[in-house]
Amino acid sequence: EPEVTQTPSHQVTQMGQEVILRCVPISNHLYFYWYRQILGQKVEFLVSFYNNEISEKSEIFDDQFSVERPDGSNFTLKIRSTKLEDSAMYFCASSKDQNYGYTFGSGTRLTVV
Amino acid sequence: AQSVTQLGSHVSVSEGALVLLRCNYSSSVPPYLFWYVQYPNQGLQLLLKYTSAATLVKGINGFEAEFKKSETSFHLTKPSAHMSDAAEYFCAVSGQGAQKLVFGQGTRLTINP
Repeated sequence: EPEVTQTPSHQVTQMGQEVILRCVPISNHLYFYWYRQILGQKVEFLVSFYNNEISEKSEIFDDQFSVERPDGSNFTLKIRSTKLEDSAMYFCASSKDQNYGYTFGSGTRLTVV
Repeated sequence: AQSVTQLGSHVSVSEGALVLLRCNYSSSVPPYLFWYVQYPNQGLQLLLKYTSAATLVKGINGFEAEFKKSETSFHLTKPSAHMSDAAEYFCAVSGQGAQKLVFGQGTRLTINP
């Protein structure tokens, strides 16, 4: 069964550093998403991406965040200057069309120290 | 605007007993509804989804859920719990058209031998 692949599975970074989280969505999917889950809390929407542009973003997704689909297969989330409160599990998801479910990756656990 | 309320952050049942996880939603548009399961240190796996077809939805691992518009509910059930069902369960709502998912707080299911 096709999967959404996320790398790395775990990343530790120092406060203030830039990180890039990578995702390879399912190849025929058109809609891409990033969500995050702070430890012990619910999963929160960050951003959705369609047709090479952001279609919706949450209030969490401020200027320090950006997304890119650089080569038609990868979908990346960049955090420019990480803060302690960015420590969370970050999930990538993709969807084929508007009536399809969402397939989630296994997540990247980001730890900011 | 959409929201999800999961009643009970922790549910404990005996092996072989009925599992009932409650989810109520609020949506200003016709909703799509989802249940996801998260095993420790893993990603989100889709259990089942309601996308305006049959109101009784069957999913994987013997789970099912019924969409009740009049009660704005989408409760998850399984007739007989198995030890392997122990996990965190998330109910989520979206609008139609590949819109973002809004998650509930999650319910941790414990199975007693």
